[in-house]
Formats: sequence, structure tokens, C-alpha cells
Amino acid sequence: GAVVSQHPSRVICKSGTSVKIECRSLDFQATTMFWYRQFPKKSLMLMATSNEGSKATYEQGVEKDKFLINHASLTLSTLTVTSAHPEDSSFYICSAPRLGAKETQYFGPGTRLLVL
Amino acid sequence: AQSVTQLDSHVSVSEGTPVLLRCNYSSSYSPSLFWYVQHPNKGLQLLLKYTSAATLVKGINGFEAEFKKSETSFHLTKPSAHMSDAAEYFCVVSDPQAGTALIFGKGTTLSVSS
Repeated sequence: GAVVSQHPSRVICKSGTSVKIECRSLDFQATTMFWYRQFPKKSLMLMATSNEGSKATYEQGVEKDKFLINHASLTLSTLTVTSAHPEDSSFYICSAPRLGAKETQYFGPGTRLLVL
Repeated sequence: AQSVTQLDSHVSVSEGTPVLLRCNYSSSYSPSLFWYVQHPNKGLQLLLKYTSAATLVKGINGFEAEFKKSETSFHLTKPSAHMSDAAEYFCVVSDPQAGTALIFGKGTTLSVSS
């Protein structure tokens, strides 16, 4: 099956620093990738849609200047949490639909961010 | 807008007994519906999906779900629970207005006791 990886799997950082999270589709190309946030005991909340070669589309209430998304190639999207604060601590998950198989999404294993 | 409601936040069953996880959806379009499972410290895994073909959908690990348009339901069932089924389960609907982004239910925690 298709594989999506995320790196790092876990990161701890100081308040005020920036953290970059990578999402890669390992064996297929994805012109679109999605970034979700999951709080403890909560559902996944869509943050933004990452589009290869163009600007990301953010959901209402998500600060685009705080959560920078870059989709540099057909297999890589990055989410940078800028000037992180403790309230940004969460589990971030990316997903990618395989080209030609729009209904099937492949999820990364997630990145747990802890901001001290 | 599309939405999905998981009627139970927590379901507890004994090993070997049937599992029923309930899900209702709201959609203005012909929806695509999915069930995903999330085990602790692991990524989301697709159990099964409905995309306007057969209304009874069979998935992995013995799970199945039936799409009932008249009841706007997509309940997940399994005849006999196994300890390894203990996990978080999400009912999900696709939103065509947002491309292929998924709308998640709040999740149901399934506990299985021996």
C-alpha cells in the first residue's frame, strides 16, 4: 500500500522557536496534501490544504502566518510552526490522496509537538 | 456543508461479542463515507469506504458497514471482537466543496475486555 511518512515523529521545543514538520509520499505523487491537528481525546481538525506549486488554502480560524505551508515537490509538503507557544502543542497529521485515486487518502503517522 | 456524528464516544465490549459503532451523516451531495482506525501511537488506517457502489461494504479485519440513505447512517459492525480491536475509530465523510479533504467525526473509543 501507499506510504506517507512524517518527520520528526516527536519534537520538543522552547517557546518562541520555529519547528518544521515534513510530510512525504514515499511511493506515489501527490499534488495535494492535507494537514490536520488532533488534540487529546479529540477528532482531527483540518488546518489547511497544501497545493504543489501554489499557495496553501487555510481553514477558517487557522493563522496562515503562524502555520507556514510549503509544497515544494510532488512528494513533499512542510508545515512550519513559527514562534511556537505552549498552546501549539498538539499532534499534527498529514494525509495525501494518490493521483487518480481521489477517494483514498493515506495518512502519515503524525508528529507530536510539545512546546515548553 | 457536510458533517458526521458519532453517537457514542466510548463503547465497551467483551472479547468474542459483536461490535457496533454508530455513525450518522449529513450531506447535500452523494457522500463518500469512510471508517478509519487509530491505534495508540500509530497512524490512521483505512478500515473501509463507501463510494456509491454496494451499500454493504466489507473492510479489513472482519469489519463491515452498511450505507443506509433513508436513515443517513453508516454504522460499523464486527461479529466478534478481538482484543486487538481496541482503538479509536473515526467515521469520516468527504466534502466535495473542499476537494478531497475529509471531515472527521469526533471518534469512538472501543474497549475490549477479556
